[in-house]
Amino acid sequence: GDSVTQMEGPVTLSEEAFLTINCTYTATGYPSLFWYVQYPGEGLQLLLKATKADDKGSNKGFEATYRKETTSFHLEKGSVQVSDSAVYFCALNTVTYKYIFGTGTRLKVLA
Amino acid sequence: GAVVSQHPSRVICKSGTSVKIECRSLDFQATTMFWYRQFPKKSLMLMATSNEGSKATYEQGVEKDKFLINHASLTLSTLTVTSAHPEDSSFYICSATRTSGRVGKGTDTQYFGPGTRLTVL
Repeated sequence: GDSVTQMEGPVTLSEEAFLTINCTYTATGYPSLFWYVQYPGEGLQLLLKATKADDKGSNKGFEATYRKETTSFHLEKGSVQVSDSAVYFCALNTVTYKYIFGTGTRLKVLA
Repeated sequence: GAVVSQHPSRVICKSGTSVKIECRSLDFQATTMFWYRQFPKKSLMLMATSNEGSKATYEQGVEKDKFLINHASLTLSTLTVTSAHPEDSSFYICSATRTSGRVGKGTDTQYFGPGTRLTVL
């Protein structure tokens, strides 16, 4: 079945460091890929998405490129801030509206 | 942007009682809503898909009689945890898609509610 695998956290970085959170997927067909962020005490918010191969989603300095050849959708940010501390979820969906989520990666950014 | 609300945000109840959680799409019509459960330090687990005017579709392993879902209108879905027990304590999250309900590639964004923390004593 469809699945999403994320790197285990927590990831701890200093402010202004480069961030990469790995995400790979297994899916039949051609899924859409998403990154969601959950700040402490809040619900999930869509961070970015890509709907087809080679698409790049970007928002708030975060980027992720849909790589069909490596079945990956890694999240990157060039310079993280303390306010980026949150849990990041990679997700996919295919021919239905069901989302498959990864287990989430907790990011902690230190000042 | 699209807003989804949940009520209550936090509820504490005694074992054996029932709890109702509401999910509302505030500025759009949601043909389809989803209910998830999130365990500590774990990912979201889809419990059921709720379609307006029809019965909910439950995921394997989710008890239909325990988690009653009613999607009464295009802006409201409710989850009722019946005869709650301590093991039902969790974070319940709903989401909604602003779609026409067409069958096809699910490229439409899901908008998530802020979640409801249920604690059963």
